[in-house]
Amino acid sequence: GENVEQHPSTLSVQEGDSAVIKCTYSDSASNYFPWYKQELGKGPQLIIDIRSNVGEKKDQRIAVTLNKTAKHFSLHITETQPEDSAVYFCAARETGGFKTIFGAGTRLFVKA
Amino acid sequence: NAGVTQTPKFQVLKTGQSMTLQCAQDMNHEYMSWYRQDPGMGLRLIHYSVGAGITDQGEVPNGYNVSRSTTEDFPLRLLSAAPSQTSVYFCASSFGQGYYGYTFGSGTRLTVV
Repeated sequence: GENVEQHPSTLSVQEGDSAVIKCTYSDSASNYFPWYKQELGKGPQLIIDIRSNVGEKKDQRIAVTLNKTAKHFSLHITETQPEDSAVYFCAARETGGFKTIFGAGTRLFVKA
Repeated sequence: NAGVTQTPKFQVLKTGQSMTLQCAQDMNHEYMSWYRQDPGMGLRLIHYSVGAGITDQGEVPNGYNVSRSTTEDFPLRLLSAAPSQTSVYFCASSFGQGYYGYTFGSGTRLTVV
């Protein structure tokens, strides 16, 4: 089955700097890669996603890149703000599949 | 408000007790799933459903049962609670086939003593 690895587990940046979180997946059949943000005491919330036929997607200050050959994808946050502090999860789902498998999460701290 | 509703928010159980975690969604989503969240281990899939009457096992199904008699509801049953089931449980739903992310509930924090 699918296995998703996520790095780093903790990331601390200064306000205004960029943050990058990286994930690798094992199942070449996976074709959908969502990213979630979880604030303290809340459920995860979808922030951006990418399909396997797209190499990059951007939404304001966040972007996701996908390298299908290497089976890895990354989340990029630019001009970080204190409200970006949260736990971020990457995930992968296979073509026509029903299971979404998550990485272990990255705790991002943005220092003012 | 539209979304995924989980009850209760907090629960303490004694070892061996049973209970049901409730989950309901009002978005007419086909897919529903239960995840548990433990420190350092991310979200692990317990059971999932692709429609009323259809359920299947995820990564960590032992000790849990599910059923899906309606599109809206997807309860998770703990048969005989164990300390290893202490966790935060999240229910999530999404549209069916295609490129759709999950909508998550706010979670149930369960402690088994």
